[in-house]
Amino acid sequence: QQPVQSPQAVILREGEDAVINCSSSKALYSVHWYRQKHGEAPVFLMILLKGGEQKGHDKISASFNEKKQQSSLYLTASQLSYSGTYFCGTDYNQGGKLIFGQGTELSVKP
Amino acid sequence: DVKVTQSSRYLVKRTGEKVFLECVQDMDHENMFWYRQDPGLGLRLIYFSYDVKMKEKGDIPEGYSVSREKKERFSLILESASTNQTSMYLCASSSGQAGNQPQHFGDGTRLSIL
Repeated sequence: QQPVQSPQAVILREGEDAVINCSSSKALYSVHWYRQKHGEAPVFLMILLKGGEQKGHDKISASFNEKKQQSSLYLTASQLSYSGTYFCGTDYNQGGKLIFGQGTELSVKP
Repeated sequence: DVKVTQSSRYLVKRTGEKVFLECVQDMDHENMFWYRQDPGLGLRLIYFSYDVKMKEKGDIPEGYSVSREKKERFSLILESASTNQTSMYLCASSSGQAGNQPQHFGDGTRLSIL
């Protein structure tokens, strides 16, 4: 039931792009994305609700493909500040109980 | 800004002790959550609460209990601590219908059971 994130880890140079995927075996109501820097609390990035919408702010955006039960997080022209572990959290029944993926560790090098 | 405060950043306890982890939020949020975070496993939900005195089990409730006597405070209790409960514990809160509202996390408590 835990969503599967891929890749598990990625190393980028500044300015490069990355995509992180979150796949579920069950139909989703919503997908949350969070970033956690080492030793800090996870920080909310965005929520995507059932309906296949795409959202974004700054150079980070995400999509939600309801048919594929998958969400993707897009990081464009990465900056050093993007480094951290990215988690997706999936809600299956509007109950607000999130099940988180195992995380994707992103490292951006100068 | 929402502030979620966990009482301790680091805690060391002995096997068999009763351990209390406290969490307070200052935004009048209805929903509060307790997670544990272990390397390679992500965040796993222990218990959550949608209202005062209300609680529901998450995915890994065994060995834990919770208390929510006031809206702003959600306590996690390890009834008899064991070494396999050594972990990072994160508290979170959210408003309204929890599925479409962001969760706000505290800084975490790193608990070691010796």
